[in-house]
Amino acid sequence: AQSVTQLGSHVSVSEGALVLLRCNYSSSVPPYLFWYVQYPNQGLQLLLKYTSAATLVKGINGFEAEFKKSETSFHLTKPSAHMRDAAEYFCAVRTYGGSQGNLIFGKGTKLSVKP
Amino acid sequence: ETGVTQSPTHLIKTRGQQVTLRCSSQSGHNTVSWYQQALGQGPQFIFQYYREEENGRGNFPPRFSGLQFPNYSSELDVNALELDDSALYLCASSKSGSSYNEQFFGPGTRLTVL
Repeated sequence: AQSVTQLGSHVSVSEGALVLLRCNYSSSVPPYLFWYVQYPNQGLQLLLKYTSAATLVKGINGFEAEFKKSETSFHLTKPSAHMRDAAEYFCAVRTYGGSQGNLIFGKGTKLSVKP
Repeated sequence: ETGVTQSPTHLIKTRGQQVTLRCSSQSGHNTVSWYQQALGQGPQFIFQYYREEENGRGNFPPRFSGLQFPNYSSELDVNALELDDSALYLCASSKSGSSYNEQFFGPGTRLTVL
């Protein structure tokens, strides 16, 4: 069975500081991994995805994530936080059930950015 | 290109009632997945529809059912509503043949059960 665990339900950083949101996965097969962002009262927007092409993945809004098989991790980072980054972030892994698969999400990490 | 749309935006029902939520998939997408997001939690997979048939189901009871239409739009029906059904219901569309099944989400329907 596949799963993801997000460490830290709430992370607070100052504007301009490094953002680090942690995600560890469990999968018996090579995983496809995703990071989504959810702004208040909105749906989910894809930030980036890992599909085994490259271990360092660059996404939108200056975010990137590195796939580390030895650590079973896929942490999300951004060098300099901006006020507009305040949102909830979800890590997800694609399952192989059915012909299309579906996503299993972590519980989310709420990012607060202080001025 | 039109994104995923959902209706209604908000809905209030009472326990025991039935509800239908609707989703229009993104242009060119033929697969629709539904997720339930309870307050403070990550989305949980309910089921997926492909070629008008259920194509995978999560751990939800049979009172959660759905349909997919020839134009790939979809409905989620919930019977005998319970208080715990209060949640944000998200619809996501994707294109078959995509090896990593990138899913595009709609804005969701907020269901409140009183």
